[in-house]
Amino acid sequence: SQKIEQNSEALNIQEGKTATLTCNYTNYSPAYLQWYRQDPGRGPVFLLLIRENEKEKRKERLKVTFDTTLKQSLFHITASQPADSATYLCALSNAGNNRKLIWGLGTSLAVNP
Amino acid sequence: DAGVTQSPTHLIKTRGQQVTLRCSPKSGHDTVSWYQQALGQGPQFIFQYYEEEERQRGNFPDRFSGHQFPNYSSELNVNALLLGDSALYLCASSFVAGGAGTEAFFGQGTRLTVV
Repeated sequence: SQKIEQNSEALNIQEGKTATLTCNYTNYSPAYLQWYRQDPGRGPVFLLLIRENEKEKRKERLKVTFDTTLKQSLFHITASQPADSATYLCALSNAGNNRKLIWGLGTSLAVNP
Repeated sequence: DAGVTQSPTHLIKTRGQQVTLRCSPKSGHDTVSWYQQALGQGPQFIFQYYEEEERQRGNFPDRFSGHQFPNYSSELNVNALLLGDSALYLCASSFVAGGAGTEAFFGQGTRLTVV
């Protein structure tokens, strides 16, 4: 069955450092991979989308890579800030069912001042 | 421009009861998807509505049903509530014309507690 794995352990980093989160998947060939941020008790907020034919995408301090051979995406936050503390979720979809998202469990990130 | 709005924000129900959750999509959006998120888990896809019809469905029993209205708003109904139905229920909207790979906009969710 389809499986998505994200860093199971919470990530604690110092302010100003780069946070790197991992999303690995098996038994799936996604056309799209998305990253969302979720704060406690709130709905996920879209951050970035990357297509299967794209290797890398950037938005301000955020960078996402997508390696379909390794079946892995890396999500980087550079110059991290305490306000970046949240749970980050990766979600996959294919071209035919692009609005049915399959989600990882999320990785909790804490940026310490 | 209002984003996705869900009501109520919190709800407590007793086992065996029925519940209806409501969602108004973002302006201009015509597709609504519902997700269930248990504590510490990622969202699980329940179903999706477009043009007032259920288009896709996840692995949820028939106790979970829905509806979409002509104004694109949607309801999620859950019958015969079980303790395991306690979760955050999320509504996400998008628009078909946006094409494949469209980002989803989420509401703040409804926290359902079944006692």
